[in-house]
Amino acid sequence: DADVTQTPRNRITKTGKRIMLECSQTKGHDRMYWYRQDPGLGLRLIYYSFDVKDINKGEISDGYSVSRQAQAKFSLSLESAIPNQTALYFCATSDSTGGKPQHFGDGTRLSIL
Amino acid sequence: EDQVTQSPEALRLQEGESSSLNCSYTVSGLRGLFWYRQDPGKGPEFLFTLYSAGEEKEKERLKATLTKKESFLHITAPKPEDSATYLCAVYGSSNTGKLIFGQGTTLQVKP
Repeated sequence: DADVTQTPRNRITKTGKRIMLECSQTKGHDRMYWYRQDPGLGLRLIYYSFDVKDINKGEISDGYSVSRQAQAKFSLSLESAIPNQTALYFCATSDSTGGKPQHFGDGTRLSIL
Repeated sequence: EDQVTQSPEALRLQEGESSSLNCSYTVSGLRGLFWYRQDPGKGPEFLFTLYSAGEEKEKERLKATLTKKESFLHITAPKPEDSATYLCAVYGSSNTGKLIFGQGTTLQVKP
């Protein structure tokens, strides 16, 4: 089983719909992250959480919200989806000790029509 | 501002033709430089961490090196299965736990 699991793997939806992407991890890490990846723009950080009570905005948080339900679960919501939020979304985790690598899930491919 | 630039954007090699990928960085207080491999439709897979200039790490046909301004990922006698996008990222003391990623180098190895 994967250490970082994202659901769903693929989602097609319509403009204006509310969408939730979920991430769960079995690595026991405190830190969790949400990124989006677009061709030519690389990986961009949306939100990150250092523990259940600590949630921070990344560089592109507008239009997104998150919930850290437990140490192992971190969800990303799009309250009212728009077409330019079509992208590949990744969840990642890392150890709380500084300088440790992040470990990624296999992503959710989201298409908004 | 912390920054990472990777070159080239794309690289085509023949099987067995060795080469290097470059990652140039500007960061306040480097606390780690990371190399990842990403296959199409998959998440980035962690390869190496380098912490200080002069450090080297190896894994099969890959070797990562680090100086104070850049890192190289050397690929020796590549095989078609080494085809992927390679990402470089840095973690600095001013980033509060966030990684700064480069745009990646897409490597294609032809048989």
